[in-house]
Amino acid sequence: ETGVTQTPRHLVMGMTNKKSLKCEQHLGHNAMYWYKQSAKKPLELMFVYSLEERVENNSVPSRFSPECPNSSHLFLHLHTLQPEDSALYLCASSQLYGEQFFGPGTRLTVL
Amino acid sequence: GDSVTQMEGPVTLSEEAFLTINCTYTATGYPSLFWYVQYPGEGLQLLLKATKADDKGSNKGFEATYRKETTSFHLEKGSVQVSDSAVYFCALSNAGGTSYGKLTFGQGTILTVHP
Repeated sequence: ETGVTQTPRHLVMGMTNKKSLKCEQHLGHNAMYWYKQSAKKPLELMFVYSLEERVENNSVPSRFSPECPNSSHLFLHLHTLQPEDSALYLCASSQLYGEQFFGPGTRLTVL
Repeated sequence: GDSVTQMEGPVTLSEEAFLTINCTYTATGYPSLFWYVQYPGEGLQLLLKATKADDKGSNKGFEATYRKETTSFHLEKGSVQVSDSAVYFCALSNAGGTSYGKLTFGQGTILTVHP
């Protein structure tokens, strides 16, 4: 595998489910990001991990919980989501101050 | 705070037409500027970048020049192809005291090219 990979690519879940999104980067980067892409809205930065520490949390509801166990892996744990949380969730990685490389995204549908 | 404004889409062109997608920004300091492209069903790919005023980024026939005096970074291509159909995002990176390059994106412009 090369670049940034995300699994699953598609996820359908009910509002009472708990699921996790996974991101893995094979680029040796030391910063990782979660973005939310909704229809007709700019990309929204959700979380940033720099050197495995969370350095930004943009007022994201607590039903989204990130985890960065090491510099190559990033998770987004989901629980009791709402239908308006349906979106494409993108992961990215970079060297500090470098350009960001994006994964293909997970298309999430909340019923 | 920082912001990026792109021209409203969608943009529909015939093959071999000239493309311009306007992008203007507001930022403190000296940001780096980027164009990302998103093909259907995929994540964002870096198309080109410029890190200081008057720099020209170019890739795959696309060009954009960092104009500090007009705070602009317009994307151009002389002759578009059907395969250029995608969503294009203008973005800026401004460290602003953080330990990483925080990206601020425009809203995206949908480009459709017809044969």
